[in-house]
Amino acid sequence: DIQMTQSPSSLSASVGDRVTITCQASQDIGNYLNWYQQKPGKAPKLLIYDTSNLDTGVPSRFSGGGSGTDFTFTISSLQPEDLATYYCQQYDNFPITFGQGTRLEIK
Amino acid sequence: QVQLQESGPGLVKPSDTLSLTCTVSGYSISSGYYWGWIRQPPGKGLEYIGSVYRSGTTHYNPSLKSRVTISVDTSNNQLSLELSSVTAADTAVYYCARELGVIRAFNIWGPGTMLTVSS
Repeated sequence: DIQMTQSPSSLSASVGDRVTITCQASQDIGNYLNWYQQKPGKAPKLLIYDTSNLDTGVPSRFSGGGSGTDFTFTISSLQPEDLATYYCQQYDNFPITFGQGTRLEIK
Repeated sequence: QVQLQESGPGLVKPSDTLSLTCTVSGYSISSGYYWGWIRQPPGKGLEYIGSVYRSGTTHYNPSLKSRVTISVDTSNNQLSLELSSVTAADTAVYYCARELGVIRAFNIWGPGTMLTVSS
């Protein structure tokens, strides 16, 4: 299985900050990477697919990039409602695997 | 508006078989897409269990394949998950989700159902 490693595991930032999360794959996955947001007590929500494409209705402050083994997820200006855990997910190789998650707290 | 709703017993005993159902509304499973199951142990990350297509074609995570059966009932617009020989390690919130085929992204999720394995 392809291992997905996110960093940091948790972070705390202030409203308006620029926040970046990284996701590293154990082998080359091209751009076959998706990102999800999971708010406390809720199901995950798809934010970004194919590394950099925003799902319908997702605010433009969210963005993604990278290729191969190294990927980034960025929130350009943190909002209070962005309190959540964020997961990357690869689909280059079966089985689909997720990163361990990055918990984002608001200062 | 497509909605998914999981249902299940809430509590099962070790070594039993758990059975969960996901009812889909607002979209006919017969029309297409893969439909998947993902689980999340308390306080932990997400684990892909498997997916099923309208035809009954399935894909299972190899780590669970020997114990998992996923099926689809197009007449009732439902998909089902069975997991045999459960242990405490199978305690988790179980989600069903619609899977976008090419990009294998789960874009619509049910709220999840908590399943506890305990005697």
